[in-house]
Amino acid sequence: EAEVAQSPRYKITEKSQAVAFWCDPISGHATLYWYRQILGQGPELLVQFQDESVVDDSQLPKDRFSAERLKGVDSTLKIQPAELGDSAMYLCASFGANVLTFGAGSRLTVL
Amino acid sequence: QKEVEQNSGPLSVPEGAIASLNCTYSDRGSQSFFWYRQYSGKSPELIMSIYSNGDKEDGRFTAQLNKASQYVSLLIRDSQPSDSATYLCAVNARGGGTSYGKLTFGQGTILTVHP
Repeated sequence: EAEVAQSPRYKITEKSQAVAFWCDPISGHATLYWYRQILGQGPELLVQFQDESVVDDSQLPKDRFSAERLKGVDSTLKIQPAELGDSAMYLCASFGANVLTFGAGSRLTVL
Repeated sequence: QKEVEQNSGPLSVPEGAIASLNCTYSDRGSQSFFWYRQYSGKSPELIMSIYSNGDKEDGRFTAQLNKASQYVSLLIRDSQPSDSATYLCAVNARGGGTSYGKLTFGQGTILTVHP
Protein backbone atom coordinates (compact mmCIF):
# COMPACT_ATOMS: atom_id res chain seq x y z
CA GLU A 1 0.00 0.00 0.00
CA ALA A 2 1.36 3.42 -0.96
CA GLU A 3 2.42 5.55 1.96
CA VAL A 4 3.53 9.07 2.73
CA ALA A 5 6.96 8.85 4.32
CA GLN A 6 8.03 11.29 7.04
CA SER A 7 11.12 11.67 9.16
CA PRO A 8 12.11 11.99 11.87
CA ARG A 9 9.23 10.43 13.80
CA TYR A 10 10.28 12.19 16.98
CA LYS A 11 12.41 15.25 17.58
CA ILE A 12 13.33 16.88 20.87
CA THR A 13 15.08 20.20 20.70
CA GLU A 14 15.78 23.22 22.82
CA LYS A 15 14.19 26.54 22.03
CA SER A 16 16.11 28.72 19.60
CA GLN A 17 17.51 25.68 17.81
CA ALA A 18 16.73 24.82 14.19
CA VAL A 19 14.70 21.77 13.22
CA ALA A 20 13.78 20.23 9.90
CA PHE A 21 11.20 17.68 8.84
CA TRP A 22 11.18 15.68 5.62
CA CYS A 23 8.29 14.24 3.65
CA ASP A 24 8.09 12.00 0.60
CA PRO A 25 4.53 11.85 -0.77
CA ILE A 26 2.85 8.97 -2.52
CA SER A 27 4.41 8.54 -5.94
CA GLY A 28 2.68 10.63 -8.56
CA HIS A 29 0.87 12.91 -6.13
CA ALA A 30 1.45 16.46 -7.28
CA THR A 31 -0.30 18.12 -4.33
CA LEU A 32 1.40 18.06 -0.95
CA TYR A 33 0.36 19.64 2.34
CA TRP A 34 1.98 20.30 5.67
CA TYR A 35 -0.38 20.42 8.64
CA ARG A 36 0.37 21.09 12.31
CA GLN A 37 -1.58 19.42 15.06
CA ILE A 38 -1.29 20.69 18.61
CA LEU A 39 -2.26 18.15 21.25
CA GLY A 40 -6.02 18.10 21.76
CA GLN A 41 -6.78 20.05 18.58
CA GLY A 42 -7.46 19.24 14.96
CA PRO A 43 -4.77 19.60 12.29
CA GLU A 44 -4.26 23.08 10.87
CA LEU A 45 -2.94 23.72 7.39
CA LEU A 46 0.48 25.37 7.20
CA VAL A 47 1.36 25.18 3.51
CA GLN A 48 0.17 23.65 0.25
CA PHE A 49 2.36 22.74 -2.72
CA GLN A 50 1.33 21.96 -6.25
CA ASP A 51 4.37 20.30 -7.80
CA GLU A 52 7.25 22.58 -6.77
CA SER A 53 5.13 25.71 -6.33
CA VAL A 54 3.62 27.06 -3.13
CA VAL A 55 -0.12 27.43 -3.63
CA ASP A 56 -1.05 28.61 -0.15
CA ASP A 57 1.24 29.55 2.73
CA SER A 58 -1.05 32.11 4.32
CA GLN A 59 -1.02 30.25 7.68
CA LEU A 60 2.72 29.63 7.74
CA PRO A 61 4.57 31.79 10.32
CA LYS A 62 7.09 33.00 7.82
CA ASP A 63 9.35 34.69 10.33
CA ARG A 64 10.49 31.31 11.56
CA PHE A 65 9.02 28.65 9.27
CA SER A 66 10.02 27.80 5.74
CA ALA A 67 8.99 25.05 3.37
CA GLU A 68 10.32 23.89 0.06
CA ARG A 69 9.70 21.23 -2.54
CA LEU A 70 12.50 21.92 -4.96
CA LYS A 71 11.98 19.12 -7.48
CA GLY A 72 8.28 18.72 -6.96
CA VAL A 73 8.65 15.42 -5.17
CA ASP A 74 9.83 15.38 -1.55
CA SER A 75 9.49 18.36 0.74
CA THR A 76 11.20 19.87 3.76
CA LEU A 77 9.66 21.99 6.51
CA LYS A 78 12.09 23.99 8.62
CA ILE A 79 11.68 25.91 11.85
CA GLN A 80 14.34 28.37 12.95
CA PRO A 81 14.42 29.30 15.74
CA ALA A 82 12.10 26.85 17.46
CA GLU A 83 9.86 28.20 20.22
CA LEU A 84 8.07 26.39 23.05
CA GLY A 85 4.73 26.88 21.30
CA ASP A 86 5.96 24.93 18.28
CA SER A 87 5.64 21.66 20.18
CA ALA A 88 3.18 19.69 18.06
CA MET A 89 2.77 16.90 15.54
CA TYR A 90 3.78 17.97 12.04
CA LEU A 91 1.80 16.04 9.47
CA CYS A 92 2.56 15.76 5.79
CA ALA A 93 -0.22 14.70 3.46
CA SER A 94 -0.52 14.11 -0.25
CA PHE A 95 -3.63 14.20 -2.38
CA GLY A 96 -4.61 11.84 -5.14
CA ALA A 97 -7.74 10.01 -6.38
CA ASN A 98 -9.89 12.25 -4.20
CA VAL A 99 -8.18 11.04 -1.06
CA LEU A 100 -5.95 12.99 1.30
CA THR A 101 -3.45 10.58 2.87
CA PHE A 102 -1.41 11.53 5.90
CA GLY A 103 2.05 10.36 6.79
CA ALA A 104 2.83 9.04 10.26
CA GLY A 105 3.83 12.50 11.40
CA SER A 106 6.82 14.05 13.14
CA ARG A 107 6.33 14.75 16.83
CA LEU A 108 8.29 17.84 17.93
CA THR A 109 8.97 18.67 21.55
CA VAL A 110 10.64 22.02 22.26
CA LEU A 111 12.22 22.34 25.70
CA GLN B 1 -17.27 31.03 15.94
CA LYS B 2 -15.00 28.21 14.84
CA GLU B 3 -15.29 27.17 11.21
CA VAL B 4 -15.84 23.51 12.10
CA GLU B 5 -17.21 22.52 15.47
CA GLN B 6 -17.69 19.07 16.90
CA ASN B 7 -19.77 17.99 19.84
CA SER B 8 -17.77 18.14 22.99
CA GLY B 9 -16.57 14.84 24.36
CA PRO B 10 -15.45 12.59 25.51
CA LEU B 11 -18.17 10.22 24.39
CA SER B 12 -18.43 6.87 26.10
CA VAL B 13 -20.64 4.06 24.80
CA PRO B 14 -20.95 0.37 25.68
CA GLU B 15 -19.79 -2.26 23.25
CA GLY B 16 -22.48 -3.02 20.69
CA ALA B 17 -24.19 0.36 21.00
CA ILE B 18 -24.50 3.10 18.38
CA ALA B 19 -22.06 5.98 18.71
CA SER B 20 -23.22 9.30 17.28
CA LEU B 21 -20.73 12.01 16.42
CA ASN B 22 -21.81 15.45 15.29
CA CYS B 23 -20.22 18.33 13.43
CA THR B 24 -21.36 21.75 12.26
CA TYR B 25 -19.59 24.05 9.84
CA SER B 26 -19.88 27.77 9.16
CA ASP B 27 -19.05 28.13 5.45
CA ARG B 28 -22.27 27.54 3.52
CA GLY B 29 -20.27 27.11 0.33
CA SER B 30 -18.49 24.02 1.63
CA GLN B 31 -18.44 21.20 -0.87
CA SER B 32 -16.82 18.10 0.64
CA PHE B 33 -16.99 16.54 4.06
CA PHE B 34 -14.85 13.93 5.69
CA TRP B 35 -14.53 11.90 8.85
CA TYR B 36 -11.07 10.86 9.99
CA ARG B 37 -10.20 8.49 12.81
CA GLN B 38 -7.07 9.13 14.84
CA TYR B 39 -5.68 6.66 17.34
CA SER B 40 -3.58 8.09 20.15
CA GLY B 41 -0.12 9.02 18.89
CA LYS B 42 -0.99 8.15 15.30
CA SER B 43 -1.92 10.20 12.26
CA PRO B 44 -5.47 10.67 10.98
CA GLU B 45 -6.91 8.06 8.62
CA LEU B 46 -9.88 8.65 6.37
CA ILE B 47 -12.94 6.56 7.17
CA MET B 48 -15.77 8.33 5.33
CA SER B 49 -16.32 11.04 2.77
CA ILE B 50 -19.65 12.57 1.77
CA TYR B 51 -20.45 15.18 -0.85
CA SER B 52 -24.23 15.35 -1.21
CA ASN B 53 -27.17 15.59 1.16
CA GLY B 54 -28.40 12.38 2.70
CA ASP B 55 -26.84 9.26 4.11
CA LYS B 56 -23.82 7.28 3.00
CA GLU B 57 -23.18 3.88 4.48
CA ASP B 58 -19.96 1.89 4.59
CA GLY B 59 -20.05 -1.19 6.75
CA ARG B 60 -20.76 -0.16 10.33
CA PHE B 61 -20.28 3.52 9.51
CA THR B 62 -22.95 5.92 8.24
CA ALA B 63 -22.24 9.54 7.38
CA GLN B 64 -25.12 11.98 7.19
CA LEU B 65 -25.02 15.39 5.56
CA ASN B 66 -27.54 18.21 5.75
CA LYS B 67 -26.21 21.24 3.89
CA ALA B 68 -29.24 23.39 4.74
CA SER B 69 -28.51 22.92 8.43
CA GLN B 70 -24.72 22.90 7.84
CA TYR B 71 -24.51 19.66 9.74
CA VAL B 72 -22.56 16.44 9.31
CA SER B 73 -22.75 13.39 11.49
CA LEU B 74 -21.16 9.98 11.79
CA LEU B 75 -22.93 6.97 13.21
CA ILE B 76 -21.00 3.90 14.26
CA ARG B 77 -23.20 0.86 14.70
CA ASP B 78 -22.25 -2.14 16.82
CA SER B 79 -19.41 -0.16 18.39
CA GLN B 80 -16.30 -2.13 19.26
CA PRO B 81 -13.50 -1.34 21.72
CA SER B 82 -11.23 -1.01 18.66
CA ASP B 83 -13.35 1.99 17.60
CA SER B 84 -12.01 3.91 20.61
CA ALA B 85 -10.19 6.87 19.08
CA THR B 86 -10.52 10.56 18.32
CA TYR B 87 -12.86 11.28 15.41
CA LEU B 88 -12.11 14.37 13.35
CA CYS B 89 -14.63 16.11 11.13
CA ALA B 90 -13.06 17.90 8.18
CA VAL B 91 -14.53 20.23 5.59
CA ASN B 92 -13.25 21.35 2.22
CA ALA B 93 -14.57 24.85 1.84
CA ARG B 94 -14.56 25.34 -1.87
CA GLY B 95 -13.52 22.10 -3.47
CA GLY B 96 -12.22 21.57 -6.94
CA GLY B 97 -8.87 21.93 -8.54
CA THR B 98 -5.85 22.01 -6.33
CA SER B 99 -7.78 22.74 -3.15
CA TYR B 100 -9.32 19.31 -2.62
CA GLY B 101 -6.96 18.43 0.18
CA LYS B 102 -7.15 21.83 1.82
CA LEU B 103 -9.24 20.81 4.79
CA THR B 104 -10.46 22.62 7.87
CA PHE B 105 -10.70 20.27 10.81
CA GLY B 106 -12.79 20.32 13.94
CA GLN B 107 -11.16 19.82 17.30
CA GLY B 108 -12.11 16.16 17.40
CA THR B 109 -14.33 14.06 19.63
CA ILE B 110 -12.79 11.36 21.78
CA LEU B 111 -14.82 8.15 21.65
CA THR B 112 -14.39 5.38 24.19
CA VAL B 113 -16.16 2.06 23.69
CA HIS B 114 -16.15 0.04 26.89
CA PRO B 115 -16.67 -3.72 27.02
